Amino acid sequence: LAKTTQPISMDSYEGQEVNITCSHNNIATNDYITWYQQFPSQGPRFIIQGYKTKVTNEVASLFIPADRKSSTLSLPRVSLSDTAVYYCLVGGNTGGFKTIFGAGTRLFVKA
Amino acid sequence: DTGVSQNPRHKITKRGQNVTFRCDPISEHNRLYWYRQTLGQGPEFLTYFQNEAQLEKSRLLSDRFSAERPKGSFSTLEIQRTEQGDSAMYLCASGRGSSTGPSPGYTFGSGTRLTVV
Repeated sequence: LAKTTQPISMDSYEGQEVNITCSHNNIATNDYITWYQQFPSQGPRFIIQGYKTKVTNEVASLFIPADRKSSTLSLPRVSLSDTAVYYCLVGGNTGGFKTIFGAGTRLFVKA
Repeated sequence: DTGVSQNPRHKITKRGQNVTFRCDPISEHNRLYWYRQTLGQGPEFLTYFQNEAQLEKSRLLSDRFSAERPKGSFSTLEIQRTEQGDSAMYLCASGRGSSTGPSPGYTFGSGTRLTVV
């Protein structure tokens, strides 16, 4: 299973765009990249998933370069309520998709 | 769709006692996962069900831990002879999986907070 490396923490201000990069050098051909958000005392919440290039939804964008060894979660115009832990995961649909979470990135959004 | 429901939300137990947690997944989801999360760490995988079959167990899941998913619906996680090190948040997640295509994003419950005193 591919391991991921993310910054431990990041600070931002309201209204700014935040980019969180995740390294996954050992990603396998059939692995997808998934990001979750977690608030204190809650379970993680699915944000976005992609395989290559760019994926965008109403919450975020996910940029994946051609070599797929990294990915960047982009949060446009963050607000105080985006303060949370963000997890990057890689995994495939084989073997039951045993999802491995790292320690995540703690994002602090300031007023 | 009422989401993934976990009960109880909080449980305080004395060391050595047995505890059981329940997870009710989203009804049409065939995959169900249990995770454990301690403060400041990401969730750790414990076990995985596809329908009623338990297909994978982590080495973290000692003999004191057992999980079931009868009839492929709700699931229970039991911890026997609890130890203080078992204190954690226990999370359940469900998803709709297929043999091909991308892995689904899973829906997590709010967890059960276990405190062993």
